[in-house]
Amino acid sequence: KAGVTQTPRYLIKTRGQQVTLSCSPISGHRSVSWYQQTPGQGLQFLFEYFSETQRNKGNFPGRFSGRQFSNSRSEMNVSTLELGDSALYLCASMTQGGGLNTEAFFGQGTRLTVV
Amino acid sequence: AQSVSQHNHHVILSEAASLELGCNYSYGGTVNLFWYVQYPGQHLQLLLKYFSGDPLVKGIKGFEAEFIKSKFSFNLRKPSVQWSDTAEYFCAVNPLGGSARQLTFGSGTQLTVLP
Repeated sequence: KAGVTQTPRYLIKTRGQQVTLSCSPISGHRSVSWYQQTPGQGLQFLFEYFSETQRNKGNFPGRFSGRQFSNSRSEMNVSTLELGDSALYLCASMTQGGGLNTEAFFGQGTRLTVV
Repeated sequence: AQSVSQHNHHVILSEAASLELGCNYSYGGTVNLFWYVQYPGQHLQLLLKYFSGDPLVKGIKGFEAEFIKSKFSFNLRKPSVQWSDTAEYFCAVNPLGGSARQLTFGSGTQLTVLP
């Protein structure tokens, strides 16, 4: 079956702009999480959605937001972009709700460059 | 908050050498443990996981890891590395409890295998 699909793969934006990234999880997976990967901070959790509800949020400013649609596809939005937002944004899909014994499947990520 | 430590930032080995990458976590409760690998230009792939049971888990490509609860450790091993194992390796923890499915990652270990 198809894996996690993230679009676009690459983006270049200017400071102050906003950006929307998309993630389609594996068919049947209802949980989607987002992570930011940078050389300095590594992989950091942004937020997690399940059944269109945000259930967990990492320590990021309010400029970072997301949503999930009824088909489990998710989008994340970053407003008022800063140079420090340049990163690889990874989406992970998981099978179900419930904290036990679930593993995350990652997409290839969206490489965002802010200039 | 939980944290994950990977003490080796960059490891360089020759082919056929044995590998051990350290991973320690700080969390007092029950956890799921993972090792992910990221080959250049590719997405994070799951190498192996520990949910419960036998603390010695075997993963793909000849990798294994041992969970030592008393040491809060989950070290990754491979008896004989190949050039194709050159990649970045991430240890991750998912603390159980509640509905969270948030992975906390270590900072990663870059493995370079010399032919």
